[in-house]
Amino acid sequence: DSGVTQTPKHLITATGQRVTLRCSPRSGDLSVYWYQQSLDQGLQFLIQYYNGEERAKGNILERFSAQQFPDLHSELNLSSLELGDSALYFCASNSGGPYNEQFFGPGTRLTVL
Amino acid sequence: GIQVEQSPPDLILQEGANSTLRCNFSDSVNNLQWFHQNPWGQLINLFYIPSGTKQNGRLSATTVATERYSLLYISSSQTTDSGVYFCAVGKGGGSNYKLTFGKGTLLTVNP
Repeated sequence: DSGVTQTPKHLITATGQRVTLRCSPRSGDLSVYWYQQSLDQGLQFLIQYYNGEERAKGNILERFSAQQFPDLHSELNLSSLELGDSALYFCASNSGGPYNEQFFGPGTRLTVL
Repeated sequence: GIQVEQSPPDLILQEGANSTLRCNFSDSVNNLQWFHQNPWGQLINLFYIPSGTKQNGRLSATTVATERYSLLYISSSQTTDSGVYFCAVGKGGGSNYKLTFGKGTLLTVNP
């Protein structure tokens, strides 16, 4: 158990809908990272938050957004969902420095029908 | 961006065999991690190893940063070692930072 928690574990929804994925980092970690794992793109970095502020951005679509709250949990919002958004979404955390080891949550498996 | 290549893409072993997985990267990096993704999808940290050698039980890893590669050794493999092994490298600073994953090595250990 990495200490990173994600909810829900599974999510099934329809095209055009909006969903919210939630992540709680390890105790004491200030940075949260979001990743997407799909069959065609592999594991890709989406976005990083540090202590409530956006720190780095990767291949995140404009339909996706994220935030980190004062209690350090983070949410990833996916809107206008398309079939291609079906993927495993991971959250990771570390103590803050980007070069520090990242620890991954169990993931949320999103299926868009 | 930085390229991460893992080899072999697939590996089938009999229980008890040893194996070496390789990760090549195209530029200098600030960090490097090895993960095991189990059949349930969980990403398990194996090593944080930007340089040098580390060992943890039957697993060990070596990163030669100057030559831009890392090796993961699995000895006396067990069926529970099956899954996908990923190498991920981190590069850049501030808003340019990202962790880039290779495509993985799918390991199957047969009893």
